[in-house]
Amino acid sequence: QSVLTQPPSVSGAPGQRVTISCTGSSSNIGAGYDVHWYQQLPGTAPKLLIYGNSNRPSGVPDRFSGSKSGTSASLAITGLQAEDEADYYCQSYDSSLFYVFGTGTKVTVL
Amino acid sequence: QVQLVESGGGLVKPGGSLRLSCAASGFTFSDYYMSWIRQAPGKGLEWVSYISSSGSTIYYADSVKGRFTISRDNAKNSLYLQMNSLRAEDTAVYYCAREYCSSTSCYPNAFDIWGQGTMVTVSS
Repeated sequence: QSVLTQPPSVSGAPGQRVTISCTGSSSNIGAGYDVHWYQQLPGTAPKLLIYGNSNRPSGVPDRFSGSKSGTSASLAITGLQAEDEADYYCQSYDSSLFYVFGTGTKVTVL
Repeated sequence: QVQLVESGGGLVKPGGSLRLSCAASGFTFSDYYMSWIRQAPGKGLEWVSYISSSGSTIYYADSVKGRFTISRDNAKNSLYLQMNSLRAEDTAVYYCAREYCSSTSCYPNAFDIWGQGTMVTVSS
């Protein structure tokens, strides 16, 4: 059972903005550890989307942005596109469990 | 081309063993921390094990501690996962993944390069 909680699903129409929350605790996000985000398209390996809470690796569109506050983090997708339909996972370090992933969120483009 | 390619998955009976391999190419393997991450069918991602660049520091998830052993051979650009006493709940796609390094810093628990995954099925 993951210690980082995400909503099971979010949806939006093309062009809209959606956000995905990632709620942790004082032993992970709240302790100041970085949060990273991944996108996983069906049948493929995850892709690093955001690292260090709010930074994008080269090649990731600026439609994707990340933030962190307290014991939570968020991923925002603006200008939602059909190709954004995927599963999204947050990830952090936990002082007891080492590396932990979020429960995952399925994004549906209506 | 920076690449990780896993191999060694398959069908094994409960209690059996399997050794996964991950071949790295296109980068200086010995400079990077590496991890194994798994994903059970229809489920989320679960970190399994971590090994430092030299192999001197190793960590395991509680779910596999005492049963799995991670290792690496920097001369062969390869990462390994020896899995013993396998259980049905170990059934998953197993990915090897490389830590992300930007131009200024490395983030040991952010993974920018993933293999295609190898399926491990534990069933009688």
